[in-house]
Amino acid sequence: NAGVTQTPKFQVLKTGQSMTLQCAQDMNHNSMYWYRQDPGMGLRLIYYSASEGTTDKGEVPNGYNVSRLNKREFSLRLESAAPSQTSVYFCASSEVLEQYFGPGTRLTVT
Amino acid sequence: AQSVSQHNHHVILSEAASLELGCNYSYGGTVNLFWYVQYPGQHLQLLLKYFSGDPLVKGIKGFEAEFIKSKFSFNLRKPSVQWSDTAEYFCAVTPRYGGSQGNLIFGKGTKLSVKP
Repeated sequence: NAGVTQTPKFQVLKTGQSMTLQCAQDMNHNSMYWYRQDPGMGLRLIYYSASEGTTDKGEVPNGYNVSRLNKREFSLRLESAAPSQTSVYFCASSEVLEQYFGPGTRLTVT
Repeated sequence: AQSVSQHNHHVILSEAASLELGCNYSYGGTVNLFWYVQYPGQHLQLLLKYFSGDPLVKGIKGFEAEFIKSKFSFNLRKPSVQWSDTAEYFCAVTPRYGGSQGNLIFGKGTKLSVKP
């Protein structure tokens, strides 16, 4: 039982490049989330998916898109990366309110 | 808008000292409350949670938290910290009902450094 997995662990992008962060969970949870963590800012919700087939914006959705590919997988896409998107990205899943977090992806945009 | 305030940005304690980290939230309705811990280089782990019932909740590793509804507070405590408690601690709330049920609102975190 791996829980929530994320790939890649680290990534460096140049401004304007695109990439997709992958997240998968094996706990059969309905809800999945993407957060970004910046020093002194805590975690801020980017997008969430309450169930397969639905996605909604969180607090900081600009510059991101998401896809809930199936019940297990929830990807986050940066179409044109900017230095302001340098951050650590966490995926989480939940069934009844309690969220379980993945190990994170550290992204640097130069 | 909902918000969570953690009063201390960085707390430095010696081993065996007692710990109390403050957390206040702003929300008019019923909430569920959480404390998460993030050890250096690791992901967030749930320390404890409050949904209903006894307002004093016990979590892992000797931590406890008390929900005081009248003060909109959910402070984290530990009677005697250890070096291994060095980590960042996040308070979080989520509305118990409604469309944004399940969406966590996090505080900005408190870094705890424990000196051996």
